[in-house]
Amino acid sequence: QVQLVQSGAEVKKPGASVKVSCKASGYTFTSYAMHWVRQAPGQRLEWMGWINVANGNTKYSQKFQGRVTITRDTSASTAYMELSSLRSEDTAVYYCGRGLNVDLVATMGYWGQGTLVTVSS
Amino acid sequence: DIVMTQSPDSLAVSLGERATINCKSSQSVLYSSNNKNYLTWYQQKPGQPPKLLIYWASTRESGVPDRFSGSGSGTDFTLTISSLQAEDVAVYYCQQYYSTPYSFGQGTKLEIK
Repeated sequence: QVQLVQSGAEVKKPGASVKVSCKASGYTFTSYAMHWVRQAPGQRLEWMGWINVANGNTKYSQKFQGRVTITRDTSASTAYMELSSLRSEDTAVYYCGRGLNVDLVATMGYWGQGTLVTVSS
Repeated sequence: DIVMTQSPDSLAVSLGERATINCKSSQSVLYSSNNKNYLTWYQQKPGQPPKLLIYWASTRESGVPDRFSGSGSGTDFTLTISSLQAEDVAVYYCQQYYSTPYSFGQGTKLEIK
């Protein structure tokens, strides 16, 4: 069955960077898009960007442009999201989400368990 | 950017009764070339990631109970739970995937009355 397993919780200081991983199993990793979505405490879900896992092309939300980098390692079936210049407002749970199918690239049918990133001095 | 607005913010419904959640987009998410609405509904329970319920505004994901249904087109959409069950207590989000950034509504918290 499809599984997305994310790395563990992180505590970072303002100005630092964080890199969250999302290891996929149960399907052909390169056949589906991978998205990153975050949820700050009590806030709505917020789409950050996605990667075409097959060719590595990415698209980011303008809000995070310049601070976020999404990559993948096809040999390890793992996607990564790195966020730099962290500030307290970046404290959130970060999720990876897999595109449902080739026609529904941007509909997230499978999700990781979430990774809490806390930014605090 | 497309702004998604849900109503109400919270809703209390008796078990077995109908629950209706609305979602409005700031611009149409109907793609004319294929006549499909790029609108998804998710359910999120505390401490869990979202779960896909409905895509193309009205297509139920495999395994989702048929008491969940989606309707609407263009800018106005509705998620209906025909007969509320205790396990349906959750926050529900709509999301548009018509254009990036793929935006979500603010969520509707559904509780038992």
